[in-house]
Amino acid sequence: GENVEQHPSTLSVQEGDSAVIKCTYSDSASNYFPWYKQELGKGPQLIIDIRSNVGEKKDQRIAVTLNKTAKHFSLHITETQPEDSAVYFCAASKGTGGFKTIFGAGTRLFVKA
Amino acid sequence: KAGVTQTPRYLIKTRGQQVTLSCSPISGHRSVSWYQQTPGQGLQFLFEYFSETQRNKGNFPGRFSGRQFSNSRSEMNVSTLELGDSALYLCASSLDSTETQYFGPGTRLLVL
Repeated sequence: GENVEQHPSTLSVQEGDSAVIKCTYSDSASNYFPWYKQELGKGPQLIIDIRSNVGEKKDQRIAVTLNKTAKHFSLHITETQPEDSAVYFCAASKGTGGFKTIFGAGTRLFVKA
Repeated sequence: KAGVTQTPRYLIKTRGQQVTLSCSPISGHRSVSWYQQTPGQGLQFLFEYFSETQRNKGNFPGRFSGRQFSNSRSEMNVSTLELGDSALYLCASSLDSTETQYFGPGTRLLVL
């Protein structure tokens, strides 16, 4: 069935370093790939998204890359700060006639000051 | 613009009871999706409503149901609660099929 694998499950970095989270999806019809950040006690917050007709997108310290051939997409956070500590989820969606978004298992990011 | 709101935020029920959760989407958003989040299974899609019609459904038993009203507000109902239904239930809204979903804070349900 449809599946999104996310790695690593836990990531610890020093403040100022970069963090990279990787996801692989199984459904080649997926065409929309959002990334969410979830802090304790809150719902997931969209931080960046990319569509299948784009290979890379950047928003300040956050960037996402997509490799459709390999069915692989990644989140890159540069110059990490303690407030970046949270759980990050990748997701894949076909987005046709309604949602059936499949989420990765999540990556718990710790940024040490 | 106000975000997605969910009520109640916390709920404690006992096995066998039923529960109704409510979601008010962002103003103007017509699509509402529901997700169950647990430590073991992660975020799992329950169903999506658009203009009062269920358009998509995940792999959950029939005890889980939902509906959407003409003002786009949505409710989900879980009947005959089981211990395994304890979870954070999240609602997300979007304008239409533009695919950008915005999540509410969730309702944390504990089944004893």
